[in-house]
Amino acid sequence: NAGVTQTPKFRILKIGQSMTLQCTQDMNHNYMYWYRQDPGMGLKLIYYSVGAGITDKGEVPNGYNVSRSTTEDFPLRLELAAPSQTSVYFCASSRTGGDTQYFGPGTRLTVL
Amino acid sequence: AQSVTQPDIHITVSEGASLELRCNYSYGATPYLFWYVQSPGQGLQLLLKYFSGDTLVQGIKGFEAEFKRSQSSFNLRKPSVHWSDAAEYFCALRGAGNMLTFGGGTRLMVKP
Repeated sequence: NAGVTQTPKFRILKIGQSMTLQCTQDMNHNYMYWYRQDPGMGLKLIYYSVGAGITDKGEVPNGYNVSRSTTEDFPLRLELAAPSQTSVYFCASSRTGGDTQYFGPGTRLTVL
Repeated sequence: AQSVTQPDIHITVSEGASLELRCNYSYGATPYLFWYVQSPGQGLQLLLKYFSGDTLVQGIKGFEAEFKRSQSSFNLRKPSVHWSDAAEYFCALRGAGNMLTFGGGTRLMVKP
């Protein structure tokens, strides 16, 4: 049972480049989330989805985009990478909005 | 607005000693509270949660937490720490819109 998987584990981008962080869950959860983790700041919610085709902004959505075409997948897109987006990104899922969230192992992104 | 504060950024304890990690919250209604643990290079794992009822909550790995409404606190405790408990610990609150708000984390180091 894989749970929540994320790819890649590490990535270095140049300023202005774009990339997609992949997230897949095999628990048939309706809710999925993207967080970023900065040192000493805990996790901040970027975007979340309550089901296929439905997404909404979290606390820090600027510079990111998401889509949810299937229940399993919730990719996060960075269009024009900036140094401020250097962070560790976590994807999570839950059965409902009130249920426990299960986290992936994270993607460490550096923008130079 | 809701917020979570973990006053201690770093804590060092000796193996076998007791542990208490502090968590204070601000929220206008009855909070749903969580403690997560993050081992190096890993995602977050749920230790325990408080939704209602008994204010002393038991979790995995021998951890417990006590909800004190009068003090707006949800401190995590363990009677005897093991070297494998070295990790970062996050307190979180689920509030409006079922979104999780995280504290800044406490990094626990265990001395042999």
